[in-house]
Amino acid sequence: QVQLQESGPGLVKPSETLSLTCTVSGGSLSSNYWSWLRQSPGMGLDWIGYIYYTGSTTYNSSLESRVMISVDTSNNQFSLKLRSVSAADTAVYYCARANVLRYFDSNLYYFDFWGQGTLVTVSS
Amino acid sequence: DIVLTQSPGTLSLSPGERATLSCRASRSVSNNYLAWYQQKPGQAPRLLIYGASSRATGIPDRFSGSGSGTDFTLTITRLEPEDFAVYYCQQYGAPFGGGTKVEIK
Repeated sequence: QVQLQESGPGLVKPSETLSLTCTVSGGSLSSNYWSWLRQSPGMGLDWIGYIYYTGSTTYNSSLESRVMISVDTSNNQFSLKLRSVSAADTAVYYCARANVLRYFDSNLYYFDFWGQGTLVTVSS
Repeated sequence: DIVLTQSPGTLSLSPGERATLSCRASRSVSNNYLAWYQQKPGQAPRLLIYGASSRATGIPDRFSGSGSGTDFTLTITRLEPEDFAVYYCQQYGAPFGGGTKVEIK
């Protein structure tokens, strides 16, 4: 069974960069897509982006200018960086495995394994 | 993007009762590419259903998904105490629905 675990600072100052890492166990990063999502307090779920094990990425257009996802296959990890954060970026951040299907010219995806989530608060 | 509207917002039921949750899409969902997730307080979402009607690994058979086109349903035949949670639908590759909270009456 694939297991995912997020790690990183729980407090980030406004305008700085949020950095999180997801460590995958029980399976390899290879031949899979890996994703980040977030959930603001009391709100619904938002997809941030995903990365293929080769390093190819796709991001939510609303965050694309500030986000970077990278992969480290040697350590079975992938990471999230979100620049220029504000209070609006306060959320529980989840990493997940994305099950991606090709449909015409689009990649469609859902999420079958999730990390437990980590709360990141943006505050001075 | 397709917009998914879930109803009701909150469902108040007793253990042992049947729960019927609705997910309506603003336009037809291709190939029934729809998933359902369960989220308990303080926990990550858990995949319940994919492809509109296929149960994920380890999901009890009291959970079932149905529907096609724009109207989808998640049914829990007999609510167990651990089933009281928030449920989200998601069209593959699109934003999640707003969720339905199933609470103890």
